[in-house]
Amino acid sequence: ETGVTQTPRHLVMGMTNKKSLKCEQHLGHNAMYWYKQSAKKPLELMFVYSLEERVENNSVPSRFSPECPNSSHLFLHLHTLQPEDSALYLCASSKGDRGNTEAFFGQGTRLTVV
Amino acid sequence: AQRVTQPEKLLSVFKGAPVELKCNYSYSGSPELFWYVQYSRQRLQLLLRHISRESIKGFTADLNKGETSFHLKKPFAQEEDSAMYYCALNSLQGAQKLVFGQGTRLTINP
Repeated sequence: ETGVTQTPRHLVMGMTNKKSLKCEQHLGHNAMYWYKQSAKKPLELMFVYSLEERVENNSVPSRFSPECPNSSHLFLHLHTLQPEDSALYLCASSKGDRGNTEAFFGQGTRLTVV
Repeated sequence: AQRVTQPEKLLSVFKGAPVELKCNYSYSGSPELFWYVQYSRQRLQLLLRHISRESIKGFTADLNKGETSFHLKKPFAQEEDSAMYYCALNSLQGAQKLVFGQGTRLTINP
């Protein structure tokens, strides 16, 4: 284990459901990220949090809502998703220091929207 | 805007042959370049970064600012090198924003 844990590993949800993805790291990192990985597109950066403040929102639809209550936890709240939102959602963390930006990834949550 | 391009989605070579995975980037500031690798059933992990100038598992990559490239090379491929490889760029200025290319699936044939 590299220290970044994502739950659940798999999630199936209907378009009217509300669910949340959780990411946890105990590596002492200050920056956390959400990425979307789908079959036909490269890894898409969704959100970046640095010191619990959102510093990047990469034109993500509002049906995705991130939350970073502290430097160890990151959530992605999902609401009224579409089938095209089905993908692997990856969380990552890094120290966030210049020249020390290696990102450590979780194993991802495989989301299926039906 | 930051952009990373990996022109090859698939690359197949024979064991013992040289390997080169191409990566080009677009960024007006000072970039930090990485190669990440994802082996079968494993999570995405860092392979190497341009700042450290290391050779990891026989792989090297040189940042060419004139050609805005960061190609990954290995002189003699091994079967265990089969994996998905991603080139990534981070800004050395401003907020962290690690952007990935589309990835290249490398298959080493015996």
